[in-house]
Amino acid sequence: DVKVTQSSRYLVKRTGEKVFLECVQDMDHENMFWYRQDPGLGLRLIYFSYDVKMKEKGDIPEGYSVSREKKERFSLILESASTNQTSMYLCASRGRPAGELFFGEGSRLTVL
Amino acid sequence: DAKTTQPNSMESNEEEPVHLPCNHSTISGTDYIHWYRQLPSQGPEYVIHGLTSNVNNRMASLAIAEDRKSSTLILHRATLRDAAVYYCILRRRYGGATNKLIFGTGTLLAVQP
Repeated sequence: DVKVTQSSRYLVKRTGEKVFLECVQDMDHENMFWYRQDPGLGLRLIYFSYDVKMKEKGDIPEGYSVSREKKERFSLILESASTNQTSMYLCASRGRPAGELFFGEGSRLTVL
Repeated sequence: DAKTTQPNSMESNEEEPVHLPCNHSTISGTDYIHWYRQLPSQGPEYVIHGLTSNVNNRMASLAIAEDRKSSTLILHRATLRDAAVYYCILRRRYGGATNKLIFGTGTLLAVQP
């Protein structure tokens, strides 16, 4: 079975801190995604990557950056966390452009 | 990106069929219809997808209207474990947009024992 693992289920950070959210997949998938999920807003795409060192902005990239140095790992970075970035963050991977998405269990970030 | 419209919530009784509707009146000819669901405290999981013809798999059936402006996800016998948020999503077949799956707010399905 495909496994997408997110490094932390729960994080609490302070305003202005730098935050790293790590995601690792074990199926050699080329495409990886970061979404955030908020009540009433559903899932919104932040960034995605279609290959190592390649990335594209999603619908809400402001305040975020990403890194894909290895195929299996896709990191989401909050350079200076703010309270409006308190959210559930979901990582996903996909093997083919037409394939299904496999999601991790999510990382719930609280910024105080 | 073409949008989908789903009811915010639905209720069903255990062991009865459930029909979850989705409207996508601006669908284009190359858009696939995907369904995902999200169980409590988990990431979304793939359920089914189709283009024009009805589709069946072990989890559900997908009925697509002839004009493709709407579709229905059918759970043949709902169980308590089917209580989840169900998302109907359009995926473009060609071009850079194929990399993006745009999720809406979905339908929260409650299953009563």
